[in-house]
Amino acid sequence: NAGVTQTPKFRILKIGQSMTLQCTQDMNHNYMYWYRQDPGMGLKLIYYSVGAGITDKGEVPNGYNVSRSTTEDFPLRLELAAPSQTSVYFCASSWDSWDNSPLHFGNGTRLTVT
Amino acid sequence: RKEVEQDPGPFNVPEGATVAFNCTYSNSASQSFFWYRQDCRKEPKLLMSVYSSGNEDGRFTAQLNRASQYISLLIRDSKLSDSATYLCVPYAGNNRKLIWGLGTSLAVNP
Repeated sequence: NAGVTQTPKFRILKIGQSMTLQCTQDMNHNYMYWYRQDPGMGLKLIYYSVGAGITDKGEVPNGYNVSRSTTEDFPLRLELAAPSQTSVYFCASSWDSWDNSPLHFGNGTRLTVT
Repeated sequence: RKEVEQDPGPFNVPEGATVAFNCTYSNSASQSFFWYRQDCRKEPKLLMSVYSSGNEDGRFTAQLNRASQYISLLIRDSKLSDSATYLCVPYAGNNRKLIWGLGTSLAVNP
């Protein structure tokens, strides 16, 4: 099993550009999450999904959008990139709700906005 | 009081040593707790789940004290490969989120 796969691994964007961070999992997990981790900081939840067709905001959703059309895929869209969005982005999934099953993380996408 | 607090370290210990990390949390409604490890510039990986008073898995033991809102992680017979940042992650049921702190950095030296 590949687990959680994120692409790309690295990306440099100019201010105002847009991009989509891809995330796919092959574990048939219902729950999927997007986190960002700034240098020297803890993970912050951007968006999460409890199943196909259902998404909800986390702690820091501004500037991002998500969709969950299938169980496997949970892309994160950045519109009008800003330097404040420079961060490492982690996608994660879990079988059950986050109090009851561990999160499986992808390898991360390192994004720089200049 | 911060939602989760850990001594950031770094803890520098020799191979074979026993080391303990402490974690305090502010939300008394926290029901579940997780210890994750995160290697430098890598993704977090689950080390252990704690739902009751504690858990043990090989060289790793977690103990939970709900009255004091305190959880610890003990690592016995440290290996070089244990070098990482250890994240104490409470689940706060009343606002349905995991609380990620900065973790404790461990360096195991030969």
